Amino acid sequence: DIQMTQSPSSLSASVGDRVTITCRASQNIRTYLNWYQQKPGKVPKLLIYTASSLQSGVPSRFSGSGSGTDFTLTISSLQPEDFATYYCQQGYSTPFTFGPGTKVDIK
Amino acid sequence: QVQLQESGPGLVKPAETLSLTCTVSGVSITTDYWSWIRQPPGKGLECIGYIYYSGVTNYNPSLKSRVTISVDTSKNQFSLKLTSVTAADTAVYFCARKVGDNWFDPWGQGTLVTVSS
Repeated sequence: DIQMTQSPSSLSASVGDRVTITCRASQNIRTYLNWYQQKPGKVPKLLIYTASSLQSGVPSRFSGSGSGTDFTLTISSLQPEDFATYYCQQGYSTPFTFGPGTKVDIK
Repeated sequence: QVQLQESGPGLVKPAETLSLTCTVSGVSITTDYWSWIRQPPGKGLECIGYIYYSGVTNYNPSLKSRVTISVDTSKNQFSLKLTSVTAADTAVYFCARKVGDNWFDPWGQGTLVTVSS
């Protein structure tokens, strides 16, 4: 299985901050990397697919980059509704696997 | 728009079989692939497997010996069966559509299944 890691595991930030979350794959997954946002008790929401494509309806302050083994999710200006846990997921090979998540909370 | 809704028992006894159904609305189940994903309380997400309307399946090897995913095109539903459950199978179970180069969207609201006697 491809192992996904994320850093940091949690972070505290203020509204308006620029936030960067890193995801690393245990092997080359090209750009088969997706990002989800999950709020407590809610359903994961797709933000970014194939590393850098913004899902329809997702605010443009979210962006993704990377290829191979190293990927980044950036929130350019953190908004109150962005406090959540973020997961990366590889779609390169089965079983598709998720990272352990990065919790973003209020500083 | 595409919507998914899980249904099934919220409590299953150890060693018994967990059975869930996902009803798809807004699109025919004969498009795309349909998957099950679970999340133990307070933990991360795990792909269980997925199915195409033709019946072709792909299961996570860690669960393969206990999992069956099936589809009923007449009802626009697909189902999950997980046998010989233990407390470790307690989780929120989500159904989701697998799209394009293997991302998941949309998801059902999820259903908590607790394994306990």
